[in-house]
Amino acid sequence: GENVEQHPSTLSVQEGDSAVIKCTYSDSASNYFPWYKQELGKGPQLIIDIRSNVGEKKDQRIAVTLNKTAKHFSLHITETQPEDSAVYFCAASEKSNQFYFGTGTSLTVIP
Amino acid sequence: NAGVMQNPRHLVRRRGQEARLRCSPMKGHSHVYWYRQLPEEGLKFMVYLQKENIIDESGMPKERFSAEFPKEGPSILRIQQVVRGDSAAYFCASSSLGVAREQYFGPGTRLTVT
Repeated sequence: GENVEQHPSTLSVQEGDSAVIKCTYSDSASNYFPWYKQELGKGPQLIIDIRSNVGEKKDQRIAVTLNKTAKHFSLHITETQPEDSAVYFCAASEKSNQFYFGTGTSLTVIP
Repeated sequence: NAGVMQNPRHLVRRRGQEARLRCSPMKGHSHVYWYRQLPEEGLKFMVYLQKENIIDESGMPKERFSAEFPKEGPSILRIQQVVRGDSAAYFCASSSLGVAREQYFGPGTRLTVT
């Protein structure tokens, strides 16, 4: 089955700096790659996603890139703010609808 | 614009008891997914259901665990004879279409087995 690896596990940045989280996947059949933000005590919230026919997608301060050849995708957050502090999860999915999640990145934005 | 609802939010059970977790999908969503999250770990897929059908239960333990999504009412994840290792956060997600569509998560049920 699919195996998703996520790095780093923890990340601290100064407010205003950029944060980058990287994920790799193993199954070339995966074609949908969502990113979730999970705040303490809450459920994961979908923040952005990308499909395999697209190389990059941007939504305000958040962007995701996908390299299908290398089987990796990344989340980029620019101009970070304290409210961006949370755990971020990447996931990969092929047609089965079963999502395979990375182990999470705990992001801390230091004011 | 109600999102995915889960209840209870917290559930405490003694070893050997049964746990019932409920999930109401977003309005208009007919696909439900259950995930388990252990402390400081990612979410692990358990089961995928449509109304009255289990589509994929490959992530669910064969014993003690069962799930249903009846024609009327919420989806239920049932854990019989709970053990300490069942302590985790259980999340439900829903989507509107079956193939690689957005899944929206509920707030989770935190199960503690004493």
